[in-house]
Amino acid sequence: GENVEQHPSTLSVQEGDSAVIKCTYSDSASNYFPWYKQELGKRPQLIIDIRSNVGEKKDQRIAVTLNKTAKHFSLHITETQPEDSAVYFCAAPPGNTPLVFGKGTRLSVIA
Amino acid sequence: DAGVIQSPRHEVTEMGQEVTLRCKPISGHNSLFWYRQTMMRGLELLIYFNNNVPIDDSGMPEDRFSAKMPNASFSTLKIQPSEPRDSAVYFCASSLAAIRSEQFFGPGTRLTVL
Repeated sequence: GENVEQHPSTLSVQEGDSAVIKCTYSDSASNYFPWYKQELGKRPQLIIDIRSNVGEKKDQRIAVTLNKTAKHFSLHITETQPEDSAVYFCAAPPGNTPLVFGKGTRLSVIA
Repeated sequence: DAGVIQSPRHEVTEMGQEVTLRCKPISGHNSLFWYRQTMMRGLELLIYFNNNVPIDDSGMPEDRFSAKMPNASFSTLKIQPSEPRDSAVYFCASSLAAIRSEQFFGPGTRLTVL
């Protein structure tokens, strides 16, 4: 089955700096790669996703890049703010099945 | 739309008791998912339904766990008998389609089994 590895497990950055979280997946048939944000005590919510026909997608301070050959994708957050502090999850679907989530990255933005 | 609704939000029970978690998906969504979240194991898919039909329950930990979806607007996850290791946050999520579609999560049920 699909194996989704996410790194790092924790990340601390100074406010205003950039943060990068990386995920690798094992199933070459995966073609949809979402990122979810979970604030403390809250539910996971989709922040951005990318499909396998594009290599990069941006939404304001957030971007996701995809390398299908290497089977990895990354979340980039620029100009980080304290409200970006949360746990971020990547996910990938093995073929035509629902998502397999990574273990999560706890991001702390230090003011 | 109120989003995905789950009840109860918190449940504390004693080992051996039956626990029933409830979920109302977003109207019009065809797929419903039950997840369990713990620090050690992360976010695990337990079971998902498509058009009220269970498609894959391979994530259900053991026979003590069962899930039903009697109609498009209601699902239950039952644990009988409950054990302390079942303590976790249980999320229900719904989406328009089972694959390649945004999943909308409910607020979760925090279950504590003493």
